[in-house]
Amino acid sequence: GENVEQHPSTLSVQEGDSAVIKCTYSDSASNYFPWYKQELGKRPQLIIDIRSNVGEKKDQRIAVTLNKTAKHFSLHITETQPEDSAVYFCAVSGYSTLTFGKGTMLLVSP
Amino acid sequence: EAGVTQFPSHSVIEKGQTVTLRCDPISGHDNLYWYRRVMGKEIKFLLHFVKESKQDESGMPNNRFLAERTGGTYSTLKVQPAELEDSGVYFCASSHPGTGELFFGEGSRLTVL
Repeated sequence: GENVEQHPSTLSVQEGDSAVIKCTYSDSASNYFPWYKQELGKRPQLIIDIRSNVGEKKDQRIAVTLNKTAKHFSLHITETQPEDSAVYFCAVSGYSTLTFGKGTMLLVSP
Repeated sequence: EAGVTQFPSHSVIEKGQTVTLRCDPISGHDNLYWYRRVMGKEIKFLLHFVKESKQDESGMPNNRFLAERTGGTYSTLKVQPAELEDSGVYFCASSHPGTGELFFGEGSRLTVL
């Protein structure tokens, strides 16, 4: 089955800095790569996703890049704010179920 | 539009007891998924329903877990008898056919003592 590795497990940054979270996957047939954000005590919510026919996608301060050859993709958050503090999960799917990474706890200090 | 709802939000039971978790997906979402997160680990897939049929139950840990979705609407996940390692947060998610985005519930936290 699919294997998803996510790094780092924790990330602390100062407000205004950039944050980068990386994921690798094993199944070259995978074609959908979403990122979910889970704030403390709340449900995971989709923040951005990318499909395998696109190399990069941006939405305001958030961007995702995908390297299909190397089988890795990354989440980039610029100008971080305290409200960006949360656990971020990458996920991968082919034709059906999503396989998640272990999550990255991002802490943005004022 | 109501989101995915789960009940109970938190359940504390003793080893050997039974617990039933319920999930109400977003109306019209044929796909319903159960996931579990143990502290500090990944959100791990348990199973996937398409309407009332089990599409994939490869993630179910053992036969102490039973999921149903009678009528293709809400789903239940029963753990009987519960063991200590079953503790964690059980998430339900639903999606519309043909789309990839999962809409999650807030989860049911299960603590087995």
